[in-house]
Amino acid sequence: SQELEQSPQSLIVQEGKNLTINCTSSKTLYGLYWYKQKYGEGLIFLMMLQKGGEEKSHEKITAKLDEKKQQSSLHITASQPSHAGIYLCGADSKSFSNSGYALNFGKGTSLLVTP
Amino acid sequence: DGGITQSPKYLFRKEGQNVTLSCEQNLNHDAMYWYRQDPGQGLRLIYYSQIVNDFQKGDIAEGYSVSREKKESFPLTVTSAQKNPTAFYLCASSIGQGIYTQYFGPGTRLTVL
Repeated sequence: SQELEQSPQSLIVQEGKNLTINCTSSKTLYGLYWYKQKYGEGLIFLMMLQKGGEEKSHEKITAKLDEKKQQSSLHITASQPSHAGIYLCGADSKSFSNSGYALNFGKGTSLLVTP
Repeated sequence: DGGITQSPKYLFRKEGQNVTLSCEQNLNHDAMYWYRQDPGQGLRLIYYSQIVNDFQKGDIAEGYSVSREKKESFPLTVTSAQKNPTAFYLCASSIGQGIYTQYFGPGTRLTVL
């Protein structure tokens, strides 16, 4: 069963618009990671959140973890074509009593930024 | 430059053949992982290793085998027992056990002909 739900599955936005991607878990998250992937390439680490209410920013991307540590959002301000790709959230498997410290991933959100 | 390398980038296999995917890291990381990525299914864990000469099965280990003889290397063999091996394979590493960031290689796309 899928333990991390991402929404939306895909997103098309006009350049310059803001957008938000959500990642929801049914269980408390001990570590929540955001990655970006270009098609056919590896994952690029963006940010990691651990504490309830934590917020981190890098350039125009901001990630937040809610107080209950069950939901995270990724917000992009003034989107650019370079933001296009697949965004994946991953959670430490300790949250799911799974394999060691590997990550469980959501299915990803595909983002397209149009001119 | 430190990083993770995977080779080859593209691999074609005939049915019934075993193939080995290479993963090397020079980050001095203790832990290494193999994931499989299929369209619409996200990443799924195949095997992981927390230290040299030790490795554990992940969620979809059937039809795969690994070895960890050196800290830097974690090769994955896709055997003929794997019924549907066509996928994108990603290798990752982290400093160690615990909540540490995993860094990923560029991936290998395996296609069975």
